[in-house]
Amino acid sequence: EAGVVQSPRYKIIEKKQPVAFWCNPISGHNTLYWYRQNLGQGPELLIRYENEEAVDDSQLPKDRFSAERLKGVDSTLKIQPAELGDSAVYLCASSSGTGGHEQYFGPGTRLTVT
Amino acid sequence: QKEVEQNSGPLSVPEGAIASLNCTYSDRVSQSFFWYRQYSGKSPELIMSIYSNGDKEDGRFTAQLNKASQYVSLLIRDSQPSDSATYLCAATDSSYKLIFGSGTRLLVRP
Repeated sequence: EAGVVQSPRYKIIEKKQPVAFWCNPISGHNTLYWYRQNLGQGPELLIRYENEEAVDDSQLPKDRFSAERLKGVDSTLKIQPAELGDSAVYLCASSSGTGGHEQYFGPGTRLTVT
Repeated sequence: QKEVEQNSGPLSVPEGAIASLNCTYSDRVSQSFFWYRQYSGKSPELIMSIYSNGDKEDGRFTAQLNKASQYVSLLIRDSQPSDSATYLCAATDSSYKLIFGSGTRLLVRP
């Protein structure tokens, strides 16, 4: 069974530029998560989707971050404009449901904003 | 109090020993508990989940949950150098949001 797929794996951009990350969850997983992980910290949830619906986006900085999950499968996370403090690893995870279901992470995208 | 707390380590054990990793949690997170392993430069990999009090064993790994004392631990028997990684404890809150600790770095000495 294929795992969570993310692209790109690495991205270096200048501040104020836009950037987008893509995620394809494990087949059949209807719940998708975007996390941000800073060095030396655990992942922090940005947004959770159940199918197409964003059910928890309370931690998403909505002034510059946006996300979508069209057709309840793939998802895209965008930052516009990027700031220096956005440098981090952006992780996508999926699970077969909520309610404490196990979450499986993709390889992540390491973003460096210069 | 942080919702999920871990000692950052490093915890250093000799090869073949039992590594004991601990995690405490607040009242805000008390639903489901997970242990993830994260190698440097890689993403978190799920090791075990535990939902009720007691022990849960899977190969060389044993997770222990004590809800009365609000701690969860991970024991790794016969530790190998390949077990050297950061171990993340995570728990869900009442809305099933997964909250992570900052991780404990484990070093297994050959």
